[in-house]
Amino acid sequence: AQTVTQSQPEMSVQEAETVTLSCTYDTSESDYYLFWYKQPPSRQMILVIRQEAYKQQNATENRFSVNFQKAAKSFSLKISDSQLGDAAMYFCAYRSATGMYSGGGADGLTFGKGTHLIIQP
Amino acid sequence: DTGVSQDPRHKITKRGQNVTFRCDPISEHNRLYWYRQTLGQGPEFLTYFQNEAQLEKSRLLSDRFSAERPKGSFSTLEIQRTEQGDSAMYLCASSLNPRGRTDTQYFGPGTRLTVL
Repeated sequence: AQTVTQSQPEMSVQEAETVTLSCTYDTSESDYYLFWYKQPPSRQMILVIRQEAYKQQNATENRFSVNFQKAAKSFSLKISDSQLGDAAMYFCAYRSATGMYSGGGADGLTFGKGTHLIIQP
Repeated sequence: DTGVSQDPRHKITKRGQNVTFRCDPISEHNRLYWYRQTLGQGPEFLTYFQNEAQLEKSRLLSDRFSAERPKGSFSTLEIQRTEQGDSAMYLCASSLNPRGRTDTQYFGPGTRLTVL
């Protein structure tokens, strides 16, 4: 079974600064997807960024970028120019790619325990 | 609003009662997922549907839990004989899963269940 580990229960950053959230995962698969989701205090999960394991290029979405190290099974999220609206719980998630085409099992996301990001004004 | 909706948003019940939650996915999304999230934890996968077929169930889904998606649109999650350990946020997500394309799950606001 796959596991996802977020070793930082809480991180704090000054507004406009850069912060990096860590995520490691364990899998025996070679084809999979990794995600970062944001959960603001209102509790609705929002997708931040997605990475396909077969792609060597790191995904980027505006101020959000990832550092994907497949061999090390590491998937960190970098937030540049932090804003007050970035304050939330951030969850790293793993999903097997094998179920996507066959419609078979392993289609649920496996989440880490989350990192609470605090933005200091 | 064309996002995933869930009803009710909050439910308080007494131990031993049955409860039912509803999820309406994004229109035309063929996959629907249920997750459970307890305080301080990430969501845990419970089950998912492709159209009306329930394709996968987690070991977390005890026999007191049942989920349906009768017409491939909305879904219901029923918990029978609730226990205090069932207190959690129940999240629904949906996705469009055409072959050969990445499948991203979009989450609803959740139903918070409190069992007294």
